[in-house]
Amino acid sequence: SYDLTQPPSVSVSPGQTASITCSGDKLGAKYTCWYQQKPGHSPVLVIYQDNRRPSGIPERFSGSNSENTATLTISGTQAMDEADYYCQAWDSGTVVFGGGSKLTVL
Amino acid sequence: QVQLVESGGGLVKPGGSLRLSCAASGFTFSDYYMTWIRQAPGKGLEWVSYISRSGSTIYYADSVKGRFTISRDNAKNSLYLQMNSLRAEDTAVYYCARFLGDSSGYSDYWGQGTLVTVSS
Repeated sequence: SYDLTQPPSVSVSPGQTASITCSGDKLGAKYTCWYQQKPGHSPVLVIYQDNRRPSGIPERFSGSNSENTATLTISGTQAMDEADYYCQAWDSGTVVFGGGSKLTVL
Repeated sequence: QVQLVESGGGLVKPGGSLRLSCAASGFTFSDYYMTWIRQAPGKGLEWVSYISRSGSTIYYADSVKGRFTISRDNAKNSLYLQMNSLRAEDTAVYYCARFLGDSSGYSDYWGQGTLVTVSS
């Protein structure tokens, strides 16, 4: 089975740039997306097709994907960005999620 | 606006069955793949299954294969998940989501989820 690895936690100061990584074998050859989930809420898509933002997602969210690592970058991080973030890829017809990263803004 | 509303969750004993439903509105249901994703209490997201527009293509996670069955009724704009032989480890919030499964494999709209608890 295909595995995606994320750091369990990432910390960032308000206004700084947060980077959350997602690693998988030849991940750069697959489309990756990212979801944000706040406590008690359903996940929200923030990046799809590696680097595209859905309508309504702030420009400070961006993504990249190359070789074995996809990265979600949040520029000028705000307190409201504190949440769990999950990467997801699509491999051989099945959907795979990373374990999730808790972003703390402090 | 796109709305997905899950129902059918509840408390069930190990070995029991439950059928989840997801009512879709605000988009042409038959134009989209659909998927079920679950989240155990305090844990991460786990993909369960997805189904193509016509229902001709279906995939399951290994953890539910042979026990769960996904289906859809395009005339009723509804998605279903029949869950049999339930185990304690199936306890989770189950989300239905609209799935772009014929292109990039991402879920752009999610429901609010329905809680399934498997316990004696």
